[in-house]
Amino acid sequence: GQNIDQPTEMTATEGAIVQINCTYQTSGFNGLFWYQQHAGEAPTFLSYNVLDGLEEKGRFSSFLSRSKGYSYLLLKELQMKDSASYLCAVRVLNQAGTALIFGKGTTLSVSS
Amino acid sequence: DSGVTQTPKHLITATGQRVTLRCSPRSGDLSVYWYQQSLDQGLQFLIHYYNGEERAKGNILERFSAQQFPDLHSELNLSSLELGDSALYFCASSQGGASYNEQFFGPGTRLTVL
Repeated sequence: GQNIDQPTEMTATEGAIVQINCTYQTSGFNGLFWYQQHAGEAPTFLSYNVLDGLEEKGRFSSFLSRSKGYSYLLLKELQMKDSASYLCAVRVLNQAGTALIFGKGTTLSVSS
Repeated sequence: DSGVTQTPKHLITATGQRVTLRCSPRSGDLSVYWYQQSLDQGLQFLIHYYNGEERAKGNILERFSAQQFPDLHSELNLSSLELGDSALYFCASSQGGASYNEQFFGPGTRLTVL
């Protein structure tokens, strides 16, 4: 089956750095996404990794190790508005087509 | 604003009823995806349409069906509704089929089944 694990909750303070980990066991791996979702709102795209290594995009970076089935999202210089749920999602390709399998999300609370 | 629109924003109905959720993708996007998000299950992929054709199915119940019309808008039909169908239903769109990277999500339809 397909399985994605990430911590349920994390807390951090303004200005700090936080790393949100994601481990996955999937077949037909074809890329890993991170999305941000504020409560009651739509998920918004943050990053995409398909090859091993680090992708940097402003205050956000994402890392992937396909051999370890592991990714992390790194958020720097945290701001209060970064308080949200962060969703790790794996795209899988199989006989049924393409699907995006989401983890249950990590709720990040940023305090001053 | 992602450019994806969904109607209605909220829907309250009773068990056993049938509802239709509507999604208009971003201009130029050919793919539409439907997701269900409930508190205990997280975001669950339901179905993917590309240019009018079904491309992939996820955990979609037989009571649910979808279609994508020639103008590329899509509808998700939910029938014989149960209390457990109460959830946020998101539609997302992307430009290509399987190969394109980013999906843009609509604001969602909150369905409450009483």
